[in-house]
Amino acid sequence: DTEVTQTPKHLVMGMTNKKSLKCEQHMGHRAMYWYKQKAKKPPELMFVYSYEKLSINESVPSRFSPECPNSSLLNLHLHALQPEDSALYLCASSQDFLNEQFFGPGTRLTVL
Amino acid sequence: GQQVMQIPQYQHVQEGEDFTTYCNSSTTLSNIQWYKQRPGGHPVFLIQLVKSGEVKKQKRLTFQFGEAKKNSSLHITATQTTDVGTYFCAGPGTNAGKSTFGDGTTLTVKP
Repeated sequence: DTEVTQTPKHLVMGMTNKKSLKCEQHMGHRAMYWYKQKAKKPPELMFVYSYEKLSINESVPSRFSPECPNSSLLNLHLHALQPEDSALYLCASSQDFLNEQFFGPGTRLTVL
Repeated sequence: GQQVMQIPQYQHVQEGEDFTTYCNSSTTLSNIQWYKQRPGGHPVFLIQLVKSGEVKKQKRLTFQFGEAKKNSSLHITATQTTDVGTYFCAGPGTNAGKSTFGDGTTLTVKP
């Protein structure tokens, strides 16, 4: 299985809602990533987990809260988002920091 | 911090023409990766280059890593409509796990 799955595919939420994005991989990868991608822009790194521990937080606002329950799962909890947070949220995994990243299909988030 | 610049931003070609995108880093890279993102899709890994002066080929795609390991290029020979998408280069950052993506080159191919 060389696939990274993400749910949901689409999400519309209000600024007062709480929601979660989920990511799963079964490739035994030890590094997992959250990216944010705006239209016509490159992926922008948000968080990196290594061996289930948060290793990089790119100064992301606290309304985004990552969680890595186990080596296969990665969550992104959302609370009190702003309309400018609307974007494609991509999850990725890699065997380690030196190897290629496998991206999931993403969650397209709209904040109203 | 590290910057990875990519040119051109957009390239429109007639089917059958060649295409090249260039990637330049402000610092020496230990490796460089190339990804392709189709419209409405997600980035898909194409290749990784590690050695100075390395050249790798995948069918009509040729990837090069500069001698100084600060630049790289992707060349597509005889483009096809299936080549449409945005091509990103990515280099490892100073912090382990932090890859810096170039801004991407969006290729459109006119049949």
